[in-house]
Amino acid sequence: ETGVTQTPRHLVMGMTNKKSLKCEQHLGHNAMYWYKQSAKKPLELMFVYNFKEQTENNSVPSRFSPECPNSSHLFLHLHTLQPEDSALYLCASSQAYGQGGGETQYFGPGTRLLVL
Amino acid sequence: AQKITQTQPGMFVQEKEAVTLDCTYDTSDQSYGLFWYKQPSSGEMIFLIYQGSYDEQNATEGRYSLNFQKARKSANLVISASQLGDSAMYFCAMKESGATNKLIFGTGTLLAVQP
Repeated sequence: ETGVTQTPRHLVMGMTNKKSLKCEQHLGHNAMYWYKQSAKKPLELMFVYNFKEQTENNSVPSRFSPECPNSSHLFLHLHTLQPEDSALYLCASSQAYGQGGGETQYFGPGTRLLVL
Repeated sequence: AQKITQTQPGMFVQEKEAVTLDCTYDTSDQSYGLFWYKQPSSGEMIFLIYQGSYDEQNATEGRYSLNFQKARKSANLVISASQLGDSAMYFCAMKESGATNKLIFGTGTLLAVQP
């Protein structure tokens, strides 16, 4: 595998379900991100992790719970979601700020989530 | 506050023609970075090109070039010799100021390449 991978690619869940999104990067980066992309809305940053530590929580509801066990893996745990949470969830990685080598973010293919 | 503006919701271009996608930005920083991403219907955001504010030359990557006009605060993407596979959403983004690697995205331009 190369680049940034995300699983599953598609997910349908009920409002009472618990599910997790997984992201893995093979680029040797040490910063990872979760974004939400809803129809007709700009890309919204949700969480940022630098060296496994969460450095940004963009006022995301607690029904979204991120986990970053190491610099290569990032999870987004979902529980009791609402229909308005249906969106494309994108993961990205980059070098952490000030680490050199550029800070360009590279994205995964996304998970299309539908909450019924 | 920093802001990215893409005024073209959608554009058409004929195959093999060149097309310019507009992007203007607002920042009070002297040092900043500008990015363009392509998002096909499959969803993945694909990095295309980067321009640093202190770069004296416009960035180029294959058929992509960035027309950077610092005084006008514009960073337009030029795609030469358009191909059918170029049909996608295109997003302009800027790195936020300060000790962060967060990006601010524009609303995007949908490009349709016609045969």
